[in-house]
Amino acid sequence: AQKITQTQPGMFVQEKEAVTLDCTYDTSDQSYGLFWYKQPSSGEMIFLIYQGSYDEQNATEGRYSLNFQKARKSANLVISASQLGDSAMYFCAMISDRGSTLGRLYFGRGTQLTVWP
Amino acid sequence: KAGVTQTPRYLIKTRGQQVTLSCSPISGHRSVSWYQQTPGQGLQFLFEYFSETQRNKGNFPGRFSGRQFSNSRSEMNVSTLELGDSALYLCASSLARTGVGTGELFFGEGSRLTVL
Repeated sequence: AQKITQTQPGMFVQEKEAVTLDCTYDTSDQSYGLFWYKQPSSGEMIFLIYQGSYDEQNATEGRYSLNFQKARKSANLVISASQLGDSAMYFCAMISDRGSTLGRLYFGRGTQLTVWP
Repeated sequence: KAGVTQTPRYLIKTRGQQVTLSCSPISGHRSVSWYQQTPGQGLQFLFEYFSETQRNKGNFPGRFSGRQFSNSRSEMNVSTLELGDSALYLCASSLARTGVGTGELFFGEGSRLTVL
């Protein structure tokens, strides 16, 4: 069964500092994708970054990077130079590329990030 | 290109009524999936549609149903509403069924349903 674990219910970071949000996953599938989404209080789920299981390099998107350690089944999100607008809930999610769970994203419980000035 | 569009954004219903939510995926995307988000249960998978066929279904009662049209737009319906159905309903669209390889799996802004 697929499972995503985010162990940090809340994180605090000062503006302009870097922060790492943890995510571990459990799957027996070989081909899968890992996603990070940001959800502000308005509710929309904003795509941040994607990492495929066969991608050899860690994904980067502007200030976001994904620290992918396949053997440890970990996909941590690193936000560099935090901004006040980064305050939101962050979700890690996984989807498999085949099998009975095809088409379904599995989400962690989320990490509430607060950026203070 | 336009993103995923969900309508209505907010709605209030009373117990026993029914509701229909709509999701228009990104142009060219053929897969639409639906999720329910509540404070207690988090994000839960409802169902996934691809090429007008329901391909996968989560563990929800039969009151929750959906469909997908030939233009890939999708609707979900909840009948005989209960207080516990109050939630944010999110729809996601992707090019293929998984988004693996492309990373293209995007969400709409959600429809926030309140049942009184």
